Amino acid sequence: KAGVTQTPRYLIKTRGQQVTLSCSPISGHRSVSWYQQTPGQGLQFLFEYFSETQRNKGNFPGRFSGRQFSNSRSEMNVSTLELGDSALYLCASSLESGAGGAFFGQGTRLTVV
Amino acid sequence: DAKTTQPPSMDCAEGRAANLPCNHSTISGNEYVYWYRQIHSQGPQYIIHGLKNNETNEMASLIITEDRKSSTLILPHATLRDTAVYYCIVRSAWANNLFFGTGTRLTVIP
Repeated sequence: KAGVTQTPRYLIKTRGQQVTLSCSPISGHRSVSWYQQTPGQGLQFLFEYFSETQRNKGNFPGRFSGRQFSNSRSEMNVSTLELGDSALYLCASSLESGAGGAFFGQGTRLTVV
Repeated sequence: DAKTTQPPSMDCAEGRAANLPCNHSTISGNEYVYWYRQIHSQGPQYIIHGLKNNETNEMASLIITEDRKSSTLILPHATLRDTAVYYCIVRSAWANNLFFGTGTRLTVIP
């Protein structure tokens, strides 16, 4: 059974640009959550999508957004990139909201220069 | 937001049991205890979770005290590949947002 797939693995962007990251969950999983990991703040929850609807949202500015498609694949977008957005972005998938363990992808390493 | 307290670091000799404690004194009745680990720069790996009974799987055992205010993750025979940061997380049944604290950095020593 394939795991959670995140693309791309590495990305370099310039301040002010926008970026879109992709996550394909484990087959059959309908919940997808996104996290940001930085050395200073650790792992922080961004948002969760379930059945194409945002269910939970963390404390991040509106520049961070996401969506989920009917096949449960999810994308997150960061607009007007800042240097502080450099981080490892992780996606996790679960069977359904609130049940069982969440399984993480390997992440996308975003560097903003 | 911190709901759990873990020691920042621990060492364990290879082949011995690693016992990682976690305090979650404010846990409520519908909250589960989850454990994840993260090996350097990889995505966190789910280990085990429980509500009030002790749980065991192929990776580890989870012992939850009767009052549910603390728990211990046990890796029965630690190997060098178990060196990682271990996170203890309290999560309600209907929310998928995980709050990762600072975790415990476990170093398995040969």
